[in-house]
Amino acid sequence: NAGVMQNPRHLVRRRGQEARLRCSPMKGHSHVYWYRQLPEEGLKFMVYLQKENIIDESGMPKERFSAEFPKEGPSILRIQQVVRGDSAAYFCASSPRDNLYYYTEAFFGQGTRLTVV
Amino acid sequence: EDQVTQSPEALRLQEGESSSLNCSYTVSGLRGLFWYRQDPGKGPEFLFTLYSAGEEKEKERLKATLTKKESFLHITAPKPEDSATYLCAVQADTGNQFYFGTGTSLTVIP
Repeated sequence: NAGVMQNPRHLVRRRGQEARLRCSPMKGHSHVYWYRQLPEEGLKFMVYLQKENIIDESGMPKERFSAEFPKEGPSILRIQQVVRGDSAAYFCASSPRDNLYYYTEAFFGQGTRLTVV
Repeated sequence: EDQVTQSPEALRLQEGESSSLNCSYTVSGLRGLFWYRQDPGKGPEFLFTLYSAGEEKEKERLKATLTKKESFLHITAPKPEDSATYLCAVQADTGNQFYFGTGTSLTVIP
């Protein structure tokens, strides 16, 4: 059973370009989280999605950032017009959780390290 | 506001020297407390889930315990391969996200 797959592992973008980060959840998992990690800082929540639905985007910056999890295919985190401050490691996690009362952990991918030059 | 504080920030142990890592949390209602291990350049690796005070979980040299305000990760007779950053996270019963602490960086010296 493959784990959470993220690609690319490393991404370099020039200021003003778009970055697209992909996440394929574990088999059977219908929920995806995106987190950002800066050096010497903890993991910060960005967005929580299930297929075709954004459940919680309270941690997502209001501008330039968007996320989707289509019925078919991976979840995508999109950052438009990247700036140097967007440089970070972005982690995706998946969970089989299917309702608010089902206790379950989340399993993380290896991350995408975005560098904006 | 829900939050997690881990201590110490860094810990150096001799191989075989047992110790404990602390995770203090403030959450409106706890759905679960989670421990992860993170190696440099890698994603967090799931270790344990604890749901209620008094609960304990064990895996090899690691044992996690939970009270109403904190959790401990006990490491018995650690080996160099246990060197990593250990992360604690909580999930509230009123929300969706996992709140992470900043971690304890453990170094085990041969």
